[in-house]
Amino acid sequence: QKEVEQNSGPLSVPEGAIASLNCTYSDRGSQSFFWYRQYSGKSPELIMFIYSNGDKEDGRFTAQLNKASQYVSLLIRDSQPSDSATYLCAVRGYFTGGFKTIFGAGTRLFVKA
Amino acid sequence: EAQVTQNPRYLITVTGKKLTVTCSQNMNHEYMSWYRQDPGLGLRQIYYSMNVEVTDKGDVPEGYKVSRKEKRNFPLILESPSPNQTSLYFCASSLTIGTSGNEQFFGPGTRLTVL
Repeated sequence: QKEVEQNSGPLSVPEGAIASLNCTYSDRGSQSFFWYRQYSGKSPELIMFIYSNGDKEDGRFTAQLNKASQYVSLLIRDSQPSDSATYLCAVRGYFTGGFKTIFGAGTRLFVKA
Repeated sequence: EAQVTQNPRYLITVTGKKLTVTCSQNMNHEYMSWYRQDPGLGLRQIYYSMNVEVTDKGDVPEGYKVSRKEKRNFPLILESPSPNQTSLYFCASSLTIGTSGNEQFFGPGTRLTVL
């Protein structure tokens, strides 16, 4: 079982719709959770981070964390074609071998104009 | 401008020829890390450093070395590169490792090809 799992997609949504991206993780030692956006050939760009259960909103983005169910999600409201990218979920914490960051393989999002 | 820089951005080399990829950050961050990104595998952590002179292995350390002699620099060394190290490499840094301020910021990436 992968430690951080994401649906690879592609997820296709029309412009203006809500895009919902999900991520599950296996290690209960995970302390902090991140969503990055990555355009092809570019470096990951931090969108949201969340540490506590519940929702965290920043503009059009909302991150949701449920530690009991071990999932974290990202909602993108009013999706724009410029949101088309790969979204990476990452978890950080004290895992076997030390303090590490583990990334999911990413979900590709396409927003159709 | 606060940033993480990497050099070179692109490198084509041959098997066995030692190379170093430099990484530098100007944000006084304590934590620095190297990742490689391969299609379908996502980002995998190679090595990380909690502070000067403190380094530790990530999930895929074989064939790599690092050093942290200064807070701002964290070079990645490939003593004898092999074709399976062809990949896109990213350096990243974060202020701390606590639950506040541990967001990582990434450099622009180094695309390495080993022939």
